[in-house]
Amino acid sequence: GAGVSQSPSNKVTEKGKDVELRCDPISGHTALYWYRQRLGQGLEFLIYFQGNSAPDKSGLPSDRFSAERTGESVSTLTIQRTQQEDSAVYLCASRPDRGSFGYTFGSGTRLTVV
Amino acid sequence: QKEVEQNSGPLSVPEGAIASLNCTYSDRGSQSFFWYRQYSGKSPELIMFIYSNGDKEDGRFTAQLNKASQYVSLLIRDSQPSDSATYLCAVNIYSSASKIIFGSGTRLSIRP
Repeated sequence: GAGVSQSPSNKVTEKGKDVELRCDPISGHTALYWYRQRLGQGLEFLIYFQGNSAPDKSGLPSDRFSAERTGESVSTLTIQRTQQEDSAVYLCASRPDRGSFGYTFGSGTRLTVV
Repeated sequence: QKEVEQNSGPLSVPEGAIASLNCTYSDRGSQSFFWYRQYSGKSPELIMFIYSNGDKEDGRFTAQLNKASQYVSLLIRDSQPSDSATYLCAVNIYSSASKIIFGSGTRLSIRP
């Protein structure tokens, strides 16, 4: 596609429910990143996928968070048993290859846990 | 110590003046440095990147890097109201060359 596509754009969920966020990167982009941005704060790295290599999961805040990506296609970020502190904008970014560092961000998913 | 530090602001600058945004980082091995602009409610967009010590200019924007002092800055000349946004400094982490860590951002306001 022309840009990084994320869905849904907004999600309101009840505490304790599971949610799944989707990211469709730019076609041909091998690297895909998930970040979290709480209101008024910077971007917090969550997880990074590079092609078929093992993902860098070092930023995932707890075992309630997981993410998958098959090859260079769509990625899903799953949050189980959501808590109020999970409320944030979840941003996905992709870039072409190892040598090129410019990220293109999607428009994000705003998650609200009530 | 945070890996990337920025003054949160707000930084208020009159229209037409130079806005100066600063950032320090902790990882001495960092190689790549980025400035992103984020308008309220929007996602970040890359406006500048710099790899080498010194200055890099692109239109009204100049990025400055001093690796010895672990300091990177962004100058915006002839500031416009449309420059009002949050500016995020980002640095690659040497242990994982493809992972970029962001500062918390500086909110810039250009007053007419």
